[in-house]
Amino acid sequence: EIVLTQSPGTLSLSPGERATLSCRASQSVSSTYVAWYQQKPGQAPRLLIYGASSRATGIPDRFSGSGSGTDFTLTISRMEPEDFAVYYCQRYDTSSRYTFGPGTKLEI
Amino acid sequence: QVQLQESGPGLVKPSGTLSLTCAVSGDSINSGNWWSWIRQPPGKGLEWIGEVHRSGNNKYNPSLESRVTMSIDKSKSQFSLNLTSVSAADAAVYFCAASSGYFRIDSWGQGTLVTVSS
Repeated sequence: EIVLTQSPGTLSLSPGERATLSCRASQSVSSTYVAWYQQKPGQAPRLLIYGASSRATGIPDRFSGSGSGTDFTLTISRMEPEDFAVYYCQRYDTSSRYTFGPGTKLEI
Repeated sequence: QVQLQESGPGLVKPSGTLSLTCAVSGDSINSGNWWSWIRQPPGKGLEWIGEVHRSGNNKYNPSLESRVTMSIDKSKSQFSLNLTSVSAADAAVYFCAASSGYFRIDSWGQGTLVTVSS
């Protein structure tokens, strides 16, 4: 079973700063199968990035994804106040379908 | 874009059955989408429960498979989740969700909190 690990668990930043979030898989994963979500308190997650690097509809270009193999990264180029939230990476496979990482909390 | 709305009891007794329904609008339940249930215990991460497709080709999380049943009601444009023999560990916010089939979850319902207590 492939396990996803996200780091850091919590990241404290100020508006305008750059955020770099890591998602590491215990075995190599096709980048096609990697996505990122944002979740704010009391809300459902929202799809940000799919295929490791493609932005979902309506997602600002300050959000970008990259990576391959076992290491994937979500970058927020300049933090806006509305970007403080929890971010989850997700991996898909044909047998167990969707697995999520434990999340990274971005806090002010 | 598809809209999803969960409904069902917010309180289930231990050893009972959790039953939830998700109403679909903005797209046909009979489209090529995969319809999923995902849950999130309070303060914790996301766990995919399973998905159902118009073809009847359902897929469940192996850790829950023995207790889960999902189905589609095309006449009502909704899909449902049944989870049997619940315990306190099943208490969570349950989200219904949709995937276009390209390895990500595109749309989510707002979620519904289910508590397990006698």
